[in-house]
Amino acid sequence: SAVISQKPSRDICQRGTSLTIQCQVDSQVTMMFWYRQQPGQSLTLIATANQGSEATYESGFVIDKFPISRPNLTFSTLTVSNMSPEDSSIYLCSVVQGMNTEAFFGQGTRLTVV
Amino acid sequence: AQKITQTQPGMFVQEKEAVTLDCTYDTSDPSYGLFWYKQPSSGEMIFLIYQGSYDQQNATEGRYSLNFQKARKSANLVISASQLGDSAMYFCAMRGHTGGFKTIFGAGTRLFVKA
Repeated sequence: SAVISQKPSRDICQRGTSLTIQCQVDSQVTMMFWYRQQPGQSLTLIATANQGSEATYESGFVIDKFPISRPNLTFSTLTVSNMSPEDSSIYLCSVVQGMNTEAFFGQGTRLTVV
Repeated sequence: AQKITQTQPGMFVQEKEAVTLDCTYDTSDPSYGLFWYKQPSSGEMIFLIYQGSYDQQNATEGRYSLNFQKARKSANLVISASQLGDSAMYFCAMRGHTGGFKTIFGAGTRLFVKA
């Protein structure tokens, strides 16, 4: 299993500003991912956080808006840049340790942009 | 491309009865895994059950069982003896072996358990 600490748990931000979300895992993991969950919706994959290289973004998500870092196998950050009210969502960090094992999730960051 | 479809936005079940939540999927991967997660109002993602595409038997975990019909590409979750605490959002998810460990999620089904 993996224990994930995600910070902050929630924040209220002004439009036009940026917020960086941190994800710390208690063990080295192969794969880390960032998801967005808009109110009442499912989880949408933003990107795969690659250790030591640029993240791999899904269609509809770009690096300028959601820069991601992963300096080592236990830590990653997601920045939501130049925020607008449409960015109000829950952002979740997730890790996978093996192809046939479940994904583990952080507690999520509830972001409100005003 | 991979796709997960959950066609039941909401379901009601009487306490102590069984309920089936539907999930169909589409993938070109010959090898893949199917997952179900529960998300209560607190927002945490709780893993319930896993089924591998090559598993011969349906997966079971306590009150949860997965009705896997590979030819029909369906992976329905059966919850037996429903409890009030089962009221939550339920997501079906899939990971294909050529998908880079990515897990994709269906739209979800909100389950309401009535006393």
